[in-house]
Amino acid sequence: GEDVEQSLFLSVREGDSSVINCTYTDSSSTYLYWYKQEPGAGLQLLTYIFSNMDMKQDQRLTVLLNKKDKHLSLRIADTQTGDSAIYFCAETGGGGYNKLIFGAGTRLAVHP
Amino acid sequence: GAGVSQTPSNKVTEKGKYVELRCDPISGHTALYWYRQSLGQGPEFLIYFQGTGAADDSGLPNDRFFAVRPEGSVSTLKIQRTERGDSAVYLCASSQDATGTITGELFFGEGSRLTVL
Repeated sequence: GEDVEQSLFLSVREGDSSVINCTYTDSSSTYLYWYKQEPGAGLQLLTYIFSNMDMKQDQRLTVLLNKKDKHLSLRIADTQTGDSAIYFCAETGGGGYNKLIFGAGTRLAVHP
Repeated sequence: GAGVSQTPSNKVTEKGKYVELRCDPISGHTALYWYRQSLGQGPEFLIYFQGTGAADDSGLPNDRFFAVRPEGSVSTLKIQRTERGDSAVYLCASSQDATGTITGELFFGEGSRLTVL
């Protein structure tokens, strides 16, 4: 079946790089996404990657996709306290573009 | 409005009661989605509308859950005979059209937190 798994917690020092990992099971997923959820706010799309790409870079964010291993990662360079949030990996899965399948989220804590 | 608006932000009810949760999408967005987020979990798809019609309601857990969007804008999620297991944050999202999700451009509201005692 469809499943997206993430580690639950990551703690990093301010200024270091953060790497958040995700594995998914549905090889038919066309797009994979990273969403960010801050306390008291709605989910916000951070970035996405098309399944035929290996890497996508957007300012401090780098997304790496290993389609063979069904592994997705999000790297945040120069992590700041404002990056503290829950990060969700999501896939389109076999259900189509309108039914995103989310992981349980990784809570990123940034400390001085 | 500027973003997706959901009301109420918090709802506490007793087991067996009826509940309505409202979503006001971004103006002009034709696609509207409901997700449910239980504590410590990611959002789980419930239903999506394209215009007034429910294009996919396969995520609704049972027939106690129903959603409408009569004029293609505001949507209401209705839960009958609530159970303690229905406690969660109910998220609404909208996109410009159904193809908006090709790039994951869903715009989420802050959610309605439902607590069933």
